[in-house]
Amino acid sequence: ETGVTQTPRHLVMGMTNKKSLKCEQHLGHNAMYWYKQSAKKPLELMFVYNFKEQTENNSVPSRFSPECPNSSHLFLHLHTLQPEDSALYLCASSPGVGGGNTIYFGEGSWLTVV
Amino acid sequence: KNQVEQSPQSLIILEGKNCTLQCNYTVSPFSNLRWYKQDTGRGPVSLTIMTFSENTKSNGRYTATLDADTKQSSLHITASQLSDSASYICVVSDNMNTGFQKLVFGTGTRLLVSP
Repeated sequence: ETGVTQTPRHLVMGMTNKKSLKCEQHLGHNAMYWYKQSAKKPLELMFVYNFKEQTENNSVPSRFSPECPNSSHLFLHLHTLQPEDSALYLCASSPGVGGGNTIYFGEGSWLTVV
Repeated sequence: KNQVEQSPQSLIILEGKNCTLQCNYTVSPFSNLRWYKQDTGRGPVSLTIMTFSENTKSNGRYTATLDADTKQSSLHITASQLSDSASYICVVSDNMNTGFQKLVFGTGTRLLVSP
């Protein structure tokens, strides 16, 4: 148990579907992140929220839409995805966004786009 | 370009043996280097974090070393156990405690410990 909970753990969706990934952290952290992990590629940062304000958008396509209602919750809304979007999506949190802050990852949501 | 290269890509060792994983980086300016362990189908878990002034740090049977001059790090696993089977990811931060820390991830070394 890392203190970062992601749901669902597995999701299969069609290219015309709309779905959402949910993340909740119980660590009292101020920063939350979405990462994408594809096979044989390094983790890719997607979005960063600090005190529920988006501070980084790493050129992510608009078919991925994040939402951070408060410092403990983070969503990733998905619509009209492509098969190449199939990957493990990891949510993470840290006390702050500065250097030296350890990032704690959730267990991930496995997404398959068919 | 900031990069983190890990070797080997994969490794098989017998239970009880030791092994060493390598990480070379070109990230600058350097802030800190972390090793994460990622079990199959799970999220990464932090093992160690080292700053510029630290050249070794241990966490149980895991010992990480850092040579900031040659920009190399290693993760040594002692007396391996079956539960050590996982991917080990080297991550380098290029931020110096101000602003947003930009992490550069390696692709990981996949370790299999065989009985």
